[in-house]
Parts: sequence; C-alpha cells; structure tokens
Amino acid sequence: DAGVIQSPRHEVTEMGQEVTLRCKPISGHNSLFWYRQTMMRGLELLIYFNNNVPIDDSGMPEDRFSAKMPNASFSTLKIQPSEPRDSAVYFCASTQRGVAEANVLTFGAGSRLTVL
Amino acid sequence: AQSVSQHNHHVILSEAASLELGCNYSYGGTVNLFWYVQYPGQHLQLLLKYFSGDPLVKGIKGFEAEFIKSKFSFNLRKPSVQWSDTAEYFCAVRSSASKIIFGSGTRLSIRP
Repeated sequence: DAGVIQSPRHEVTEMGQEVTLRCKPISGHNSLFWYRQTMMRGLELLIYFNNNVPIDDSGMPEDRFSAKMPNASFSTLKIQPSEPRDSAVYFCASTQRGVAEANVLTFGAGSRLTVL
Repeated sequence: AQSVSQHNHHVILSEAASLELGCNYSYGGTVNLFWYVQYPGQHLQLLLKYFSGDPLVKGIKGFEAEFIKSKFSFNLRKPSVQWSDTAEYFCAVRSSASKIIFGSGTRLSIRP
C-alpha cells in the first residue's frame, strides 16, 4: 500500500485565495482525521470522519474551513478565503475502526501551506 | 472535555542520558494512549501504544511508557538516548468516542 497520500505537498498562496488540500486514505480504512500543526499550538484535530460521515468538527477554526469526504477513498479540506494565520502543516491520517489496531493512525506526509 | 498536556516543550540531553517526557490527559472514561514520533522531515509514526493489560508498555527503539491511571499519566522513558532520537514526540489519547487528541509535542535535541 502506498500509505496515506496528501496533495499538494507544498502550497504558497496569497491572502484571500481559496485553498484545497486533498487526502487519499489507506484502502480499507474507514476513519479519516485532519490535523493542523503549528509551532504555537502543536497538533490540533480539526475534524474526523467515520465511514465518510463527519463525526466531530469542533476543531475547525471557523466557517472559512470546510471538509468533505464524498467517498471512502478521498477527502478534501478547503479554506476560503485563506488568511496568513492559516499557514501551517496540515496532516491527514486514517485508521480502520472495528479491528484490534483500530486506534493506530497512519499519517500522510502533510501539506505545508503558506499564506502570504 | 478531552485534553492532553505535555509539560516539556523542548528537552536537551547529552547522548547516553536517561529520558523521561511527561504526558497527562483529562478524560474520565476508558482511554487508549499513544506516543508518536516525528523525525526531522518525516511523517508522524507510532512509537508505542497502550490499550489494556500491563500498564508498562514497550515500543520501538528501546522506548517504554507507563500508564498510571490514578495520575492520568502516560510518561515516555528511555534509559539511554542516542543522537538519532532527536525528534518531536507527541502523546495522544483516544476516548470512547473515537476522537484522537494530541498533546502540543516535545522537541528532543540530543547533543552528540
């Protein structure tokens, strides 16, 4: 398996632009998590899905952030409009609920976002 | 609300020194506990985990952690660190609601 695949790896954009981050979880995994990593706040959980359904989005900073999971193999995190304070590394992680190792996350390589 | 606290933001040690990184969580129910490591320029990867049973768990690369339920703690230890242990270490907690929360991380720097 190729692991959790995220794109783009790096994005530099200007304030006000729309940003879309993409994630392909490991095949067979049915839980997907989006995290944001910054120096100041560490690793924050933004939202997670079970079986493509959003379960808890209480970590999403504000209405500018939205996430979707239209099917089991794809998820997006969108920021519109973007602001400089959104600059961070965004990680996607997946796991398989219902089995012994269900709670072990496999992380993607991350998407480093810089908003100028 | 579920939360995880890591007390040390940056730890600097010499090679062969012993390591203990603190982790405390707040959640009243059953939890699963984890330590993840992020080596420079790499993904986060699992170091060790506690689900149930023996509260002293052993992970990769000589790391171990002890779950002390009465203290809501899951401290990470290693008797003798190496330069290659330079990384950022994250404690994480999974609650019964399947939510997995991470601490703010501890950066470990090892002097050769």
